[in-house]
Amino acid sequence: ETGVTQTPRHLVMGMTNKKSLKCEQHLGHNAMYWYKQSAKKPLELMFVYNFKEQTENNSVPSRFSPECPNSSHLFLHLHTLQPEDSALYLCASSPTQDERNTIYFGEGSWLTVV
Amino acid sequence: GENVEQHPSTLSVQEGDSAVIKCTYSDSASNYFPWYKQELGKRPQLIIDIRSNVGEKKDQRIAVTLNKTAKHFSLHITETQPEDSAVYFCAAPGGYNKLIFGAGTRLAVHP
Repeated sequence: ETGVTQTPRHLVMGMTNKKSLKCEQHLGHNAMYWYKQSAKKPLELMFVYNFKEQTENNSVPSRFSPECPNSSHLFLHLHTLQPEDSALYLCASSPTQDERNTIYFGEGSWLTVV
Repeated sequence: GENVEQHPSTLSVQEGDSAVIKCTYSDSASNYFPWYKQELGKRPQLIIDIRSNVGEKKDQRIAVTLNKTAKHFSLHITETQPEDSAVYFCAAPGGYNKLIFGAGTRLAVHP
């Protein structure tokens, strides 16, 4: 147990559905991240929040909408996704957004878009 | 921005042999280089890191070497065991406090 919990672990959704991925960290960290892991682009950074403020949006399509209500929680809202969005979505946290800090990953949410 | 290339993409060794994975980076100002291990179905976890003020760091059977002149760093695993089988990712700073990960190396250790 790393202290970063993601739910759900598996999600199957249609292209017209709206769903959300949830991440919670119990490590007292102030930076949280969403990564997409697929066969084509392993560990692709999507979003970064530092002290609840979004500091990075790596040209992610607007059908992915992040939300960070506080430093412990991070959501990824999904709407009108495409089959190519099927991947493992990893949440992570670190003490602050500093590249020298260890990143602690959650177990991931497997997303299948049908 | 930073570009991190990792080789090989797959590596197969016999138990007890050594394994070496190499990464190159482009930004000469980069000064922190971590390695993450991801076992099948599990999350990536940090296994070792090195900062630019040292050339080598060891932790039991794993070591990382850094050549700042050539801009490459390598992960060395000695006396490999089946439980070393996993995907290994290198990373380097990608500007403004973010890490850029390599494409990963799938290591298979055969008994």
